[in-house]
Amino acid sequence: GAGVSQSPRYKVTKRGQDVALRCDPISGHVSLYWYRQALGQGPEFLTYFNYEAQQDKSGLPNDRFSAERPEGSISTLTIQRTEQRDSAMYRCASSPYTDTQYFGPGTRLTVL
Amino acid sequence: GENVEQHPSTLSVQEGDSAVIKCTYSDSASNYFPWYKQELGKGPQLIIDIRSNVGEKKDQRIAVTLNKTAKHFSLHITETQPEDSAVYFCAQLSPGTYKYIFGTGTRLKVLA
Repeated sequence: GAGVSQSPRYKVTKRGQDVALRCDPISGHVSLYWYRQALGQGPEFLTYFNYEAQQDKSGLPNDRFSAERPEGSISTLTIQRTEQRDSAMYRCASSPYTDTQYFGPGTRLTVL
Repeated sequence: GENVEQHPSTLSVQEGDSAVIKCTYSDSASNYFPWYKQELGKGPQLIIDIRSNVGEKKDQRIAVTLNKTAKHFSLHITETQPEDSAVYFCAQLSPGTYKYIFGTGTRLKVLA
C-alpha cells in the first residue's frame, strides 16, 4: 500500500524566499508529525497534529516556521524568509494514533 | 531539558556476531521507547518498541531490554547479517506529551 509521501523531494532556494513543504500521510492516520533531521543526527521534533488540530508546536524554532493540516489529511510546513541555517532534511511521519510512526522519504532543503 | 544519550556512535561487527546499542534517558516518567532503523536515502523505520511495564521484548533476531531503575534501554541484534548495516536510532516519548526525543544514532556495519 501507499506509504507517507513528501514533496518536493529536493528544494533549493535563495535566502529570504519562502518555501512550502508538503506531506501526504497514510490514509486514515490520525496523527502527523514534522521533524527536522540534520546530517548525522536523529530527527528533531518540530510539531504534531491530531487530525486537523495542531496540538504541539513546541519544536518549531521560531515564528518563521508554521504548519497546517486544514482537513486532517495533507499537511504543509512553511518556512518564511529562509536562512542558510534552515538547510536540512525535513521529514514527516504519520501514525494511526501516537505510536508506530511511519516516516516519509523527506524533503532535502538547501538554502543558498 | 530532556535528552537521550546513545552509544556507541559507530559499531562494526563480523557477520554472525551480536550487536548491542545502548540508550540512556533522563525522565523517569517516560514509558514508551521505540527503536528505528534508517537505511541510506530512506526515512527511519520502526523495528521494535518497548513499554515501561515490561523488561524485555523479542522479535526474531532483535530484542530490546529496559532497565527502569538505571533509566536505560538497549537494542540487541543477534546473528547479524550484512543487511543489518544501517543507522539505528533510539527514541523516547516525552511523558504527558506527543513529543519524541531521538538519540544521535549508531552506524552499524556488519562485515561479511
